[in-house]
Amino acid sequence: QVHLVESGGGVVQPGRSLRLSCAASGFTFSSYGMHWVRQAPGKGLEWVAFISYDGSNTYYADSVKGRFTISRDNSKITLYLHMNSLRVEDTAVYYCAKDPGGKTTLSTYYYYMDVWGRGTTVTVSS
Amino acid sequence: EIVLTQSPGTLSLSPGERATLSCRASQSVSSNYLAWYQQKPGQAPRLLIYGASSRATGIPDRFSGSGSGTDFTLTIFRLEPEDFAVYYCQQYGSSPLTFGGGTKVEIK
Repeated sequence: QVHLVESGGGVVQPGRSLRLSCAASGFTFSSYGMHWVRQAPGKGLEWVAFISYDGSNTYYADSVKGRFTISRDNSKITLYLHMNSLRVEDTAVYYCAKDPGGKTTLSTYYYYMDVWGRGTTVTVSS
Repeated sequence: EIVLTQSPGTLSLSPGERATLSCRASQSVSSNYLAWYQQKPGQAPRLLIYGASSRATGIPDRFSGSGSGTDFTLTIFRLEPEDFAVYYCQQYGSSPLTFGGGTKVEIK
């Protein structure tokens, strides 16, 4: 059974930092691209960041570029999202999600999400 | 950036009826790279459709995706009680990846 479990959310003041983690199981984590997607309270979905299977390529939404960093540790089967200079508008549930592509597709990525975690809540408030 | 507009915002239907959800793009979606997701309250989204019309693994055949270019449709034939949820479309043909605002399918 493929599972993604996020952790690390919480309440943080504007301007502070937070690191989210996503533990994977049930598939060969090191072979697939991964995404972070967020959902503000009562709102729709917003793609945040992507990382290739080996971490060599990363892409970001303009709204988080320069403040957030996506990374992965394939030896620990874990995806991360380092969030700096947090703003009130970063308040959301953050989901990690798997891309169907990666090493097994010769580094062809599809950029949709075939497996999602249940999310972790980040609240930025003074 | 491609803006996806979903309509209607809310669809009120009874079990057994057909649901037709629309997703319109502000510009043509490359190679019909459009996906649909279902989200129930308090749950993560679930992939239903990719490539505009291909069902994801384990998705019942009452879910059908169609369309091309700028106009896409998700049809749910014969709504089951578990189908009442919010549905999102997402384009992955160009950067940045974008989602529509969602259509809520509620019980009438």
